Amino acid sequence: GIQVEQSPPDLILQEGANSTLRCNFSDSVNNLQWFHQNPWGQLINLFYIPSGTKQNGRLSATTVATERYSLLYISSSQTTDSGVYFCAVARNTGGFKTIFGAGTRLFVKA
Amino acid sequence: DTGVSQNPRHKITKRGQNVTFRCDPISEHNRLYWYRQTLGQGPEFLTYFQNEAQLEKSRLLSDRFSAERPKGSFSTLEIQRTEQGDSAMYLCASSPGQGSTEAFFGQGTRLTVV
Repeated sequence: GIQVEQSPPDLILQEGANSTLRCNFSDSVNNLQWFHQNPWGQLINLFYIPSGTKQNGRLSATTVATERYSLLYISSSQTTDSGVYFCAVARNTGGFKTIFGAGTRLFVKA
Repeated sequence: DTGVSQNPRHKITKRGQNVTFRCDPISEHNRLYWYRQTLGQGPEFLTYFQNEAQLEKSRLLSDRFSAERPKGSFSTLEIQRTEQGDSAMYLCASSPGQGSTEAFFGQGTRLTVV
């Protein structure tokens, strides 16, 4: 099956710093999403981005489908950005079930 | 409709007991998915429904697990004869199935088997 690799696995930032999280996937996909999992376990939708670039406030994401990677940019990080960021992909075979990477654990220090 | 709803949020059970979880998807979403997440890992796919039909089951879903989605609305996930290894967060997601494949997740049910 398709493999999803995220890097770095762990990241510690000082408040105000910028960061880039990377997601590589092993095959073509029809859907790519970025999620933020909060300390209570809720997965919050950040971006639905099969290709191209999107921005939402301090966050932006770019997916280059032909090269099988996606990037999540966090600018001017805040302590509330702490948590786990997941990249997840889906294909039109198998009902678009979402396959997750292992996540990037982010801690933002005040 | 504010999103995918899961109940209960937490469940503690003794080994060997049966448990049942419920998921109410976003209205008119015809695809519904169940996932399991253990500590430090990403969610892993268990099974999915299109309307009331269960179309795929992961090898992770042993014969002690069963899922239903009667009438294509809410879904239940039952685990029989629970084992300590079943302790995990069980997540439900739904997607429209037409036009958009974006998945939306519930808050999860955290199961602890003692």
